[in-house]
Amino acid sequence: EAGVVQSPRYKIIEKKQPVAFWCNPISGHNTLYWYLQNLGQGPELLIRYENEEAVDDSQLPKDRFSAERLKGVDSTLKIQPAELGDSAVYLCASSLGRIAGDNTQYFGPGTRLTVL
Amino acid sequence: GNSVTQMEGPVTLSEEAFLTINCTYTATGYPSLFWYVQYPGEGLQLLLKATKADDKGSNKGFEATYRKETTSFHLEKGSVQVSDSAVYFCALEGYSTLTFGKGTMLLVSP
Repeated sequence: EAGVVQSPRYKIIEKKQPVAFWCNPISGHNTLYWYLQNLGQGPELLIRYENEEAVDDSQLPKDRFSAERLKGVDSTLKIQPAELGDSAVYLCASSLGRIAGDNTQYFGPGTRLTVL
Repeated sequence: GNSVTQMEGPVTLSEEAFLTINCTYTATGYPSLFWYVQYPGEGLQLLLKATKADDKGSNKGFEATYRKETTSFHLEKGSVQVSDSAVYFCALEGYSTLTFGKGTMLLVSP
């Protein structure tokens, strides 16, 4: 079974430019998460989707970050405009979900963003 | 709120040594507990989990026991290998959200 797929794996952009990350969760997983991981730190949740609904976006900086999960499968996370402090690894994870009785999260390889 | 505290690294061991990485947590209710491992340049891989008190999670020779009385979930392995060198994250799940510790780097030398 394929795991969580993310692209691109690496992205280098100039500050003030836009950038987008894509995630394809494990087939059948209803819950999708985006995390931010700074160097030397554990991941921190940005947003959680249950199917196509964003049920927890309290930590998403909405002035520059946006996300969508159309049709409840793939998801895109966007930053516009990017700032130097956005340099980090962006991780996507998925789980079957609470209704299925299993919230175990499985992570993709991440996208390493460098803002110059 | 929920929080996880891990021992600081790096932990440096010789091959075949015994490993312990300490993890304690603060949480409301009865969270599920996890250990994830991250190899250089990769995402997090689920190593093991425990969903209730006294449960023991195990995988690939690693073990951790959910201790409610000491709010701990220490990771152990009897004989580490060079290939175990990675960063290990302890995490708890509350309200469908994972709270992670800062991670502990393990370096195993031949």
